[in-house]
Amino acid sequence: DQQVKQNSPSLSVQEGRISILNCDYTNSMFDYFLWYKKYPAEGPTFLISISSIKDKNEDGRFTVFLNKSAKHLSLHIVPSQPGDSAVYFCAASVRGGSNYKLTFGKGTLLTVNP
Amino acid sequence: DGGITQSPKYLFRKEGQNVTLSCEQNLNHDAMYWYRQDPGQGLRLIYYSQIVNDFQKGDIAEGYSVSREKKESFPLTVTSAQKNPTAFYLCASSITQATYGYTFGSGTRLTVV
Repeated sequence: DQQVKQNSPSLSVQEGRISILNCDYTNSMFDYFLWYKKYPAEGPTFLISISSIKDKNEDGRFTVFLNKSAKHLSLHIVPSQPGDSAVYFCAASVRGGSNYKLTFGKGTLLTVNP
Repeated sequence: DGGITQSPKYLFRKEGQNVTLSCEQNLNHDAMYWYRQDPGQGLRLIYYSQIVNDFQKGDIAEGYSVSREKKESFPLTVTSAQKNPTAFYLCASSITQATYGYTFGSGTRLTVV
């Protein structure tokens, strides 16, 4: 059973426009969420995160929104740039205890066209 | 600079042979992980280790083995029992709890012919 779902395998946007990547989760115990960006043949790099006590976190062009009641989060990139073209992974975790594991979605391939 | 190093970047092996992928970190992280990436499958957890001399199976551990004799090192052996070993393998580490996020290596592309 997939606990973190990214239902859009791919997304294509024009340079300068907004990119919105979506992520849904089923485990109500998740209380910390992260987005990673991955280029081909490279390891993922951390992009932005959000705790469940917040509903929004912003870092430059990147903003993550969390809707706990809907178990949904989204990553907004504004404005989108060609260098943003990559696979974006949503990940979730349960804070506390000795839990070390992140649960990842399958990823969304973002293509930003010049 | 601290980081996590995977080697080699590309690896070719004949079917039926065991192969070991290297993962070394100098970040003083307690936990280390191995993931496999296949097209359309995202990142799937193979094994993880929270402390030296201890490790747990992930979601797809069959056909793989690991060791954690040193805090810095977490090698992954892909055995001949792994039915579909050709994939991109990613190693990661984290401080303690996963809320701090992972640092990933650059990956190893294994091709079995």
